[in-house]
Amino acid sequence: DAKTTQPPSMDCAEGRAANLPCNHSTISGNEYVYWYRQIHSQGPQYIIHGLKNNETNEMASLIITEDRKSSTLILPHATLRDTAVYYCIVRVGHAGNNRKLIWGLGTSLAVNP
Amino acid sequence: DAGITQSPRHKVTETGTPVTLRCHQTENHRYMYWYRQDPGHGLRLIHYSYGVKDTDKGEVSDGYSVSRSKTEDFLLTLESATSSQTSVYFCAISEQRTGGEAFFGQGTRLTVV
Repeated sequence: DAKTTQPPSMDCAEGRAANLPCNHSTISGNEYVYWYRQIHSQGPQYIIHGLKNNETNEMASLIITEDRKSSTLILPHATLRDTAVYYCIVRVGHAGNNRKLIWGLGTSLAVNP
Repeated sequence: DAGITQSPRHKVTETGTPVTLRCHQTENHRYMYWYRQDPGHGLRLIHYSYGVKDTDKGEVSDGYSVSRSKTEDFLLTLESATSSQTSVYFCAISEQRTGGEAFFGQGTRLTVV
């Protein structure tokens, strides 16, 4: 099963872009990369996901390298409310109903005033 | 926010007693999941359900059982609570088999003394 590697912590100044890296060098061709975040004491929140192409939504952008071995989540204008733990997850499993995500420890992002 | 409610939000129980946690959804999503979250570990899947009366084990299922008698409710039971089951429990719902793009509840903090 593909695993991910993320830095344990990062800092970002408020108003600046936050770029969160993720390594998933063993990802398979049909596996997606998902990003979630968890604000203290709350349940995780879905942010974005992608397969090959870069993706953008109202929360963030996801940049996936051409070889798909790494990706970067970009929060274009970080605010204090973006302080959270960010999880990069690769979808694993086989066809059918037993697919599940494997969660690591994520990156703790601190957005500073 | 997705309509997903966990109850109770906090519970203290004694070792050896049975405990049931409830997850209720109003989204009519097919898939439901129970996770636990502990310091030093990522979210770990306990059990999941892919339909009414259809459930399967996750990676840390020992000591837990689940039931899903109707689409909207997914119950997690600790048959005989132990201190190692002190944790924060999250329920999630999804329309996708992988559990990706899942919506999470606010969590239940369970303490076994």
